[in-house]
Amino acid sequence: AQSVTQPDIHITVSEGASLELRCNYSYGATPYLFWYVQSPGQGLQLLLKYFSGDTLVQGIKGFEAEFKRSQSSFNLRKPSVHWSDAAEYFCAVGPKTSYDKVIFGPGTSLSVIP
Amino acid sequence: GAVVSQHPSRVICKSGTSVKIECRSLDFQATTMFWYRQFPKQSLMLMATSNEGSKATYEQGVEKDKFLINHASLTLSTLTVTSAHPEDSSFYICSARLTGNGYTFGSGTRLTVV
Repeated sequence: AQSVTQPDIHITVSEGASLELRCNYSYGATPYLFWYVQSPGQGLQLLLKYFSGDTLVQGIKGFEAEFKRSQSSFNLRKPSVHWSDAAEYFCAVGPKTSYDKVIFGPGTSLSVIP
Repeated sequence: GAVVSQHPSRVICKSGTSVKIECRSLDFQATTMFWYRQFPKQSLMLMATSNEGSKATYEQGVEKDKFLINHASLTLSTLTVTSAHPEDSSFYICSARLTGNGYTFGSGTRLTVV
């Protein structure tokens, strides 16, 4: 079955510290992979995506993610967290070959301590 | 580019009334659009997939007679919540598949039924 897991429901980090949000997926073939961020009461904003090629993907706001096929993972990282990064982060997967649905992970809530 | 405009952003309605949510693709043609629902502190759950000019495909457990989806043109999809009840209060988000380039999301609609 297709699924996306984000093992960490909530993470708290200090401002300036590094961050890694975990994402694992189960899919029939390598899908498109996405990370989205959602601020309270807001819609979704795409941070970055992986389609193919270089497995280290750079995104907006200083985020990057690394695709590891052997681990079926797509972890999100940021070297230095800012207070404005506090939000909900969703990992998602979608098919490459059809207009099928995107599957979202349960989300990780990030809190940043000043 | 590739913007989906979703309106309204917030709506409060009385129990038993109907509410229509619109999603418009502003600078591209959206053959397929997806409607999601998000409960507080939860992930996005796909409700239905709408294809221009045909009937929407609903996910299991979603009442098609309650959540009416119309996708009459390549730039507009609507979700109508009929005979709304307080349990329908939620955050509704639409998205459109971009050819070869992932997905773009609307900013969401916060529905409160009183």
